[in-house]
Amino acid sequence: GDQVEQSPSALSLHEGTGSALRCNFTTTMRAVQWFQQNSRGSLINLFYLASGTKENGRLKSTFNSKESYSTLHIRDAQLEDSGTYFCAAEAGTQVVGQLTFGRGTRLQVYA
Amino acid sequence: ETAVFQTPNYHVTQVGNEVSFNCKQTLGHDTMYWYKQDSKKLLKIMFSYNNKQLIVNETVPRRFSPQSSDKAHLNLRIKSVEPEDSAVYLCASSPRERLFFGHGTKLSVL
Repeated sequence: GDQVEQSPSALSLHEGTGSALRCNFTTTMRAVQWFQQNSRGSLINLFYLASGTKENGRLKSTFNSKESYSTLHIRDAQLEDSGTYFCAAEAGTQVVGQLTFGRGTRLQVYA
Repeated sequence: ETAVFQTPNYHVTQVGNEVSFNCKQTLGHDTMYWYKQDSKKLLKIMFSYNNKQLIVNETVPRRFSPQSSDKAHLNLRIKSVEPEDSAVYLCASSPRERLFFGHGTKLSVL
């Protein structure tokens, strides 16, 4: 099975609303990163977390290594937030930067 | 703003041909990577390269090889492409933690 289980696989949000994406890990991870892949295919790094919570504008992410999960909260969604969101984690045994990716959440924000 | 540059954006070729993709980063990072994104958008690590130390994902076929002239460049060569090599190849660099990706090279093998 997948080491990084991401949910939901797809999500539709009305502009101005919010939701949470989640990744569960089946093995101990030392850090997690969240990315947005836009319509051009570019992967934009949103967060890097080794623990705790970080916030950036309308986005907030949490990583709980003991309970093996990470979340990404989006509030006040805008049309430009549409895209595919990936979480990616480093296992304790892996070389830095060798990430295991989740399968992504396709987010569609509509007016 | 992109600081990891990949060329070409697209490449179409036939089975058995050799292809080479370029990647350059202007961030001064020590480590560079190649990832493959398949048709279902799943991303998997292929190689990481740091200070002449190459780490290879054991599932990568031997026809793939990374080539580096200096720490700002990491190219990817495929000796004899197969249909299953059709994918987007993403280059990334990292100072230690966060990864920064290029726009990718989409390969189509006919």
